[in-house]
Amino acid sequence: GENVEQHPSTLSVQEGDSAVIKCTYSDSASNYFPWYKQELGKGPQLIIDIRSNVGEKKDQRIAVTLNKTAKHFSLHITETQPEDSAVYFCAATRGTPLVFGKGTRLSVIA
Amino acid sequence: EAGVAQSPRYKIIEKRQSVAFWCNPISGHATLYWYQQILGQGPKLLIQFQNNGVVDDSQLPKDRFSAERLKGVDSTLKIQPAKLEDSAVYLCASSLGGGGSRAGYEQYFGPGTRLTVT
Repeated sequence: GENVEQHPSTLSVQEGDSAVIKCTYSDSASNYFPWYKQELGKGPQLIIDIRSNVGEKKDQRIAVTLNKTAKHFSLHITETQPEDSAVYFCAATRGTPLVFGKGTRLSVIA
Repeated sequence: EAGVAQSPRYKIIEKRQSVAFWCNPISGHATLYWYQQILGQGPKLLIQFQNNGVVDDSQLPKDRFSAERLKGVDSTLKIQPAKLEDSAVYLCASSLGGGGSRAGYEQYFGPGTRLTVT
């Protein structure tokens, strides 16, 4: 089955700097890669996703890149703000089930 | 649009007791998922329903966990008897259809139920 590795497990950045979180997956047939943000006491919130027919997708300050050959994808957050502080999860699937990484705790220091 | 609703939000029980969680998905969503999230880890799928039929329950510990989806809408997840290692957050999610890789079939999560087994 699919296996997703996520790095780093914790990340601290200064407000205004960029943050990058990287994930690798094992199943070359996986074709959907969502990213979720989870704040304390809340469920994961879908923030951006990418499908295997696209190499990059951007939505305001967040972007995701996908390298199918290397089987890795990354989340980029620019101009970080304190409200970006949360745990971020990557996931991968070929349809079902959605397999999650272990998460990255992002702290944005004001 | 209302999101996925779950109750209770918190539950504390002793080992060997039973517990039940309830989920109401987003209106019109045919697919419902139950995940277990242990502290410090990503969510792990327990069971997936398409309407009121089970699509995937390969990771559900069937000797103690059970789930049903009433009339293809609400769902309940039950644990009986509970063990210490069942302490986790139980998340419910829903999507328009099954096979989350298709456009429009993104999964949306509820706030979860935090279970503590003592």
